[in-house]
Amino acid sequence: QKEVEQDPGPLSVPEGAIVSLNCTYSNSAFQYFMWYRQYSRKGPELLMYTYSSGNKEDGRFTAQVDKSSKYISLFIRDSQPSDSATYLCAMSGPYNFNKFYFGSGTKLNVKP
Amino acid sequence: ETGVTQSPTHLIKTRGQQVTLRCSSQSGHNTVSWYQQALGQGPQFIFQYYREEENGRGNFPPRFSGLQFPNYSSELNVNALELDDSALYLCASSTRTGTSETQYFGPGTRLLVL
Repeated sequence: QKEVEQDPGPLSVPEGAIVSLNCTYSNSAFQYFMWYRQYSRKGPELLMYTYSSGNKEDGRFTAQVDKSSKYISLFIRDSQPSDSATYLCAMSGPYNFNKFYFGSGTKLNVKP
Repeated sequence: ETGVTQSPTHLIKTRGQQVTLRCSSQSGHNTVSWYQQALGQGPQFIFQYYREEENGRGNFPPRFSGLQFPNYSSELNVNALELDDSALYLCASSTRTGTSETQYFGPGTRLLVL
């Protein structure tokens, strides 16, 4: 069993839709949860960073962490064609904050 | 821009050859991690260096080795290349503190092994 599971998609939505992306994980020791956006043939770009459980909002993006269910989500409101990319969840901790475990990524396509 | 640079951007090698990939960390960052990202997959942790010492390794064979220099730049060396080594190689720099931290990724080096 992989430490982090993520539906690979692809997920296709119309412009303006609310997008929900999710990951599950098996290691209850994870404390740091990240969402990265990766455009084709580029490096991952940090979108959201959350410590432990709870919600965090930044503009059109909301990250949720439910440690009791080992489940994290990223919501994108008013999705735009420029949001079309692969979204990677990542998590780490507590003993090595910099060793990340990534999901396989969900490919999102926002249609104009 | 993250301030993390990698070179070269693309590389083609043949099976059995050796390759060296380079990474320049963001200013002030003393920790560098290397990841391998196969097509359609998430990045997989190779190893991490902190103050020039290896500080954790993923499930990669010894033919994957690394160096970190006093200026915190870093190299990833892969010997005896195999076809499955074809991937995007990412380095990520960070600081190491007792609280939460995150990493900034470079653009990657795309390696093709023929």
